[in-house]
Amino acid sequence: KQEVTQIPAALSVPEGENLVLNCSFTDSAIYNLQWFRQDPGKGLTSLLLIQSSQREQTSGRLNASLDKSSGRSTLYIAASQPGDSATYLCAVSYNAGNMLTFGGGTRLMVKP
Amino acid sequence: DADVTQTPRNRITKTGKRIMLECSQTKGHDRMYWYRQDPGLGLQLIYYSFDVKDINKGEISDGYSVSRQAQAKFSLSLESAIPNQTALYFCATSDPRRGADTQYFGPGTRLTVL
Repeated sequence: KQEVTQIPAALSVPEGENLVLNCSFTDSAIYNLQWFRQDPGKGLTSLLLIQSSQREQTSGRLNASLDKSSGRSTLYIAASQPGDSATYLCAVSYNAGNMLTFGGGTRLMVKP
Repeated sequence: DADVTQTPRNRITKTGKRIMLECSQTKGHDRMYWYRQDPGLGLQLIYYSFDVKDINKGEISDGYSVSRQAQAKFSLSLESAIPNQTALYFCATSDPRRGADTQYFGPGTRLTVL
């Protein structure tokens, strides 16, 4: 069974710092990997999707990398802002059916 | 208006009661999903449906049932609620034919079973 782990579970940083969130998965035969953001009282918003053939995706201040062979992905957030405070979840899909296996999330707090 | 809506947003019920959570979408997607989220455990897939006539069990389907009334509607039922079903429930949709292969989530329903 695919397991997805996110470390750390919680992170607090001062505004302006660059930071890295980590995601690891046990089965490297993934179809794609996604990073989501979850705000309290709201659903999940997809941030970045990396296909298994890709190594990274970028959107604004966010950069996600994928290393299938080692079963790892990182989400890099540049110049963090208080508005980045949220829970970040990674999820892998291991077939084209797009059923997702989620990690437990990293709760990020960016202090002004 | 939100593309994926869930009703109710919050519900408190008692052990043994039947509960239905509803999900509607205006995205025109064929695929719909129900997940539950427990603190620190991420989301777990309960049921998924690839079209109106195709419904499948997910990782944790015991104690739950679903109904796909139309392309736009997917309901989750707890026939006899128990306290360990207290969780945050999310509905999601996707349509891989449209390229992005991304799931779109509703705002969630917070269910408390006393």
